[in-house]
Amino acid sequence: SQTIHQWPATLVQPVGSPLSLECTVEGTSNPNLYWYRQAAGRGLQLLFYSVGIGQISSEVPQNLSASRPQDRQFILSSKKLLLSDSGFYLCAWSVPGEQYFGPGTRLTVT
Amino acid sequence: GENVEQHPSTLSVQEGDSAVIKCTYSDSASNYFPWYKQELGKRPQLIIDIRSNVGEKKDQRIAVTLNKTAKHFSLHITETQPEDSAVYFCAASAWNTGNQFYFGTGTSLTVIP
Repeated sequence: SQTIHQWPATLVQPVGSPLSLECTVEGTSNPNLYWYRQAAGRGLQLLFYSVGIGQISSEVPQNLSASRPQDRQFILSSKKLLLSDSGFYLCAWSVPGEQYFGPGTRLTVT
Repeated sequence: GENVEQHPSTLSVQEGDSAVIKCTYSDSASNYFPWYKQELGKRPQLIIDIRSNVGEKKDQRIAVTLNKTAKHFSLHITETQPEDSAVYFCAASAWNTGNQFYFGTGTSLTVIP
């Protein structure tokens, strides 16, 4: 069966520091991969999605970037965090018709 | 692009009553409609979905209905229990041609014991 991992589970970072969140998927090949952000008590904001290695689509302008170095690995990065980057970051994968979320990373920027 | 609207934003029901959450979508190309349940601090979990070739789908106490003509779909929870309390999100996708899932803004359901 398919499994999706995210780490770290929680992270506290100062403003201006870099960020790297990693997501890996097991048990499936060539999935679509997604990064969402969820502010406290809010909905799901799509940040990036990828249909293959090296293929990244960005949904909103921001100081974040994403990369997909391997088929089942998706990385979210920032060179300098802002206070507004705080939130719950969810990686998700999909094959035609279904989408599943990873356990998430709770990021607090101080 | 697709626009998904979800109502109500909050819903309180007495234990044992039914709850209904409604979503509308704009893109007739959408043909897959999942519903997610998100408990506090947890990831959204897929609870039921429906494809456009089906009008209704049921799984124990939850059901989803789809009206393609009107472009709306609904989640029905019967005999609600306190553990049904959570935020529910609807979504729409064109699963065979598109890559994106478009989410509603969520409904916070509270079941009062």
